[in-house]
Amino acid sequence: QVQLVQSGTEVKEPGASVKISCKTSGYTFTSYFLDWVRQAPGQGPEWMGIINPRSASTVYAQKFQGRVTMTRDTSTSTVYMYLTSLRSEDTAVYFCVRDPGNGYGDYWGQGTLVTVSS
Amino acid sequence: EVVLTQSPGTLSLSPGERATLSCRASQSVTSSSLAWYQQKPGQAPRLLIYGASSRATGIPDRFSGSGSGTDFTLTISRLEPEDFAVYYCQQYGNSPRPFGQGTKVEIK
Repeated sequence: QVQLVQSGTEVKEPGASVKISCKTSGYTFTSYFLDWVRQAPGQGPEWMGIINPRSASTVYAQKFQGRVTMTRDTSTSTVYMYLTSLRSEDTAVYFCVRDPGNGYGDYWGQGTLVTVSS
Repeated sequence: EVVLTQSPGTLSLSPGERATLSCRASQSVTSSSLAWYQQKPGQAPRLLIYGASSRATGIPDRFSGSGSGTDFTLTISRLEPEDFAVYYCQQYGNSPRPFGQGTKVEIK
């Protein structure tokens, strides 16, 4: 069965960086895009960007340009999201999401809570 | 950039009743690229509808989506106890891919 398993909770100070992993299984890794979506407490989801695991090409939401990097490791079927210059507004649950290529998410990881606090 | 506005913010209904949720886009959505998700507390969103009206795998037929252009609707024909949750729409035709702010369906 399709599974997306993310790394654990992170607590960071303002100005720090965070790297979240998302290990996939149960399907052909290079056949589906992976999106990253975050959700701040009490808010709706927010799309951050997408990576094509086959080519490693990425598209980032303009809001995160310059602060976010998405990469992949085909040997372990894992994608990573790296976010720098963290501020309190980045406190959220971050999800990796399998995207069949049309743009919607059919399978979601369990989420990774990132708390940014001094 | 497309902005999605969902209404109402909260819908108070009883099990067995019909729920009608609205999602309005600030500009026309490309090729009906509109999805609906259900989210329960502490869980990830679950895909219900894509392409405005296609049910995702395993989704009961009491869930249906309709609409085009700027106006979309999610209908739950008869609410089951497990349907009380928050529902989000998402536009995915262009980048970025915004979500609406959500409609909470609560037990009356």
